Amino acid sequence: EAGVAQSPRYKIIEKRQSVAFWCNPISGHATLYWYQQILGQGPKLLIQFQNNGVVDDSQLPKDRFSAERLKGVDSTLKIQPAKLEDSAVYLCASSFLAGATGGTQYFGPGTRLTVL
Amino acid sequence: AQSVTQLGSHVSVSEGALVLLRCNYSSSVPPYLFWYVQYPNQGLQLLLKYTSAATLVKGINGFEAEFKKSETSFHLTKPSAHMSDAAEYFCAVNVNQGGKLIFGQGTELSVKP
Repeated sequence: EAGVAQSPRYKIIEKRQSVAFWCNPISGHATLYWYQQILGQGPKLLIQFQNNGVVDDSQLPKDRFSAERLKGVDSTLKIQPAKLEDSAVYLCASSFLAGATGGTQYFGPGTRLTVL
Repeated sequence: AQSVTQLGSHVSVSEGALVLLRCNYSSSVPPYLFWYVQYPNQGLQLLLKYTSAATLVKGINGFEAEFKKSETSFHLTKPSAHMSDAAEYFCAVNVNQGGKLIFGQGTELSVKP
């Protein structure tokens, strides 16, 4: 079974530029998550989708971050404009169904963003 | 509000020694608890999870963890460390079924030959 796919793996941009990350979850997984992991910290949830609807985006900086999951499968996370403090690893995860016992989430390899 | 505290940002053990990584949680409802491992430049891999069944949970690669409600702890152990266990370990609590994970700050495990 293929895992969660993410691209690109690495991205370097200058501040005030825009950037987009792509995620393809495990086939059949209805729930998709985007986490931000700043160096030396644990991941922090940015947004959670159930199919193509948003379940939780309370931690998403909506003035600069946006995300979509149009067909309930793959998802795109965008930052515009980027700030220095956005330098982090962006992790995508998926789970079979919100409400499944324990809600196990499977993570992709992440995209490492460096903002100069 | 739910939270997770991992005691010790860095733990160093000798190969063959006991591994003990500490995790304490705060939750107003019965929690689901997880341990994930992250190798350099990779995503997180699930080691084990507690979902209110047996309090002693066995995971992959010889790791296990015990849920102790009275101590609000979910410490990760392995009897004998291998060099390949060197990685970052994260404890996490599930806010609700299928909901977001709240992670601790992580513990970096080093294994000395």
